[in-house]
Formats: sequence, structure tokens, C-alpha cells
Amino acid sequence: NAGVTQTPKFQVLKTGQSMTLQCAQDMNHNSMYWYRQDPGMGLRLIYYSASEGTTDKGEVPNGYNVSRLNKREFSLRLESAAPSQTSVYFCASSGVGGLGTGELFFGEGSRLTVL
Amino acid sequence: GDSVTQMEGPVTLSEEAFLTINCTYTATGYPSLFWYVQYPGEGLQLLLKATKADDKGSNKGFEATYRKETTSFHLEKGSVQVSDSAVYFCALSSSGGSYIPTFGRGTSLIVHP
Repeated sequence: NAGVTQTPKFQVLKTGQSMTLQCAQDMNHNSMYWYRQDPGMGLRLIYYSASEGTTDKGEVPNGYNVSRLNKREFSLRLESAAPSQTSVYFCASSGVGGLGTGELFFGEGSRLTVL
Repeated sequence: GDSVTQMEGPVTLSEEAFLTINCTYTATGYPSLFWYVQYPGEGLQLLLKATKADDKGSNKGFEATYRKETTSFHLEKGSVQVSDSAVYFCALSSSGGSYIPTFGRGTSLIVHP
């Protein structure tokens, strides 16, 4: 059971570089999310996708873009990385029936360092 | 909007001690409440949940009761083990927040032998 798979697990970027974090789930979930985790801040929602074809901003969307490529895949792009984006990023999915219908399933995280 | 407040850590206990991690919430409507656990180097995983008032969620010896009158969902375990060392997150989802899950800041638990 793969669940939620994120790549890459580790990445080091220089300020101004771009990159895309990939996420895929194999549980036929409608909803997918991108969070960032910073010490003392808990989890903060960057973007979410309630269903295929829709995306919405979360709490901290500035500096990021997302694409819901299909039902399985939800990518997060940093167009011009900044040191403030150094963080651990988690992708999650939930709800065969849509938002709020149950637990979130998380990937293992992607640790990003921006120098 | 929805919010979750949980006690700051770290919480440091000896093995076999009793654990309580407090969690209170603010939400409109009737939220579902969750506890997630994050072991070192891993993603979060659901520990237990409750979907209506007075429900008790339980798993792996952990329990939490949905208390609507005190807007609380405190996590308890009667006898902790070293393997319970992790970060614990309280969370909710509600119609007032369009069912977008809202998380507390997490509480680190360290259990010594």
C-alpha cells in the first residue's frame, strides 16, 4: 500500500531557483492538501484541492503555485525560492466523499532548504 | 474562524506515567475532532477521532472524549512507553471552516526509561 507518495524527500536550493514538489495518492481520494511545518508553528495550509479540477488558497499561499494534474496527483511549485520557504512540506489526501469526511493521510514529507 | 489550542511542550515523563495533553477548540457548527501523531522523521498519522459530542475515540491505549460543553478533546494514556515519544497534534474539521482541517501547533512528548 503506497498511500501518499511525495518526491523529492530532500532538496537544497539557492535563492531564486525554482522547483516542483510532486505528490500522488492511490486511495481514490477527492481532496488533496499541501502543508508546511515549521518549528513552533505547527502545520500551516498552503493550498488545497477539494476535487479534481479545483484549487484554493490556504493560510500561507504567497510564493507558491499548485496544479491538480488529475485525481491522483497534486504538485506544489516554488517559482523563485526564498530562505523563508525553508521548511518541511507535507502532502495529504482525504475523503472519498469529499472534504471533511474523515482522516487525512499524509506523505512522509519533503525537507527543503533554501540558501 | 476555526482554531485549535493545545498545551505547549515538551512534555517529559517517565515510563509508565499518566499522560494528559490538553486541547481546546473554537468552531462553528458541529466539528469532527482528531488526534494525529508524528514519529521522528515521519509524516502524521491518525491516532484517534470523534465525530459527535460525548463520543470517545481510542487507539493504542490512548483515549480522548469529545466534550462540547467545555469545547475540549484532551488526550490521555494511563501508562506511557518510550515508544510513545512523538509529537501529537489536535485537529478539527467543521462546516464553518468549509471542512478544511485546522491543526494545533503540536505537543512534543518525551518519555524516559
